[in-house]
Amino acid sequence: SAVISQKPSRDICQRGTSLTIQCQVDSQVTMMFWYRQQPGQSLTLIATANQGSEATYESGFVIDKFPISRPNLTFSTLTVSNMSPEDSSIYLCSARQGPGAFFGQGTRLTVV
Amino acid sequence: ELKVEQNPLFLSMQEGKNYTIYCNYSTTSDRLYWYRQDPGKSLESLFVLLSNGAVKQEGRLMASLDTKARLSTLHITAAVHDLSATYFCAVGFNYGGSQGNLIFGKGTKLSVKP
Repeated sequence: SAVISQKPSRDICQRGTSLTIQCQVDSQVTMMFWYRQQPGQSLTLIATANQGSEATYESGFVIDKFPISRPNLTFSTLTVSNMSPEDSSIYLCSARQGPGAFFGQGTRLTVV
Repeated sequence: ELKVEQNPLFLSMQEGKNYTIYCNYSTTSDRLYWYRQDPGKSLESLFVLLSNGAVKQEGRLMASLDTKARLSTLHITAAVHDLSATYFCAVGFNYGGSQGNLIFGKGTKLSVKP
């Protein structure tokens, strides 16, 4: 199974600022994904991070707010831009390897 | 619309009892996942079910998949306190340009009491 390292594990940020979350996989994977989990809720897909092309965003999420990079097959970043308190959530990266789908430890973001 | 419905959403059990969590999904899928999440933690993969009739067991947990009924179950046998957590089912859909992502159920918060 793929091992995914995500950082930071948590952060408290001022509104209006941006935070970049990094996700490193211990092996090459074709597909990486970014999810958001709001407090007490389930997971919602933000976007699919494609290597060599722009990310594919789900309805309700836009590139200007959540720019994503995927420079190679083991690494991706998600930036939460111009943050507001409504962005306070856990953000998780995920990678698919074979039939398995694995998750990083998550980044708990609090915007004040 | 792609939907994954999980029930119950809350489950309080006595130790030693058995119970089943249900996961229904709205359209054809080729894989179904069960995850466990402890408070403040990420998701731990429990099972991946890939075919109709698939059954997997690990300790006191057993998962099954009926693709014709679009239903998966997670059965808990003789519950113990350590099983207290939130359990999510997730279904893999391939559609549009987003192949391989998962749609999650709302989760079942399980509390096992002595």
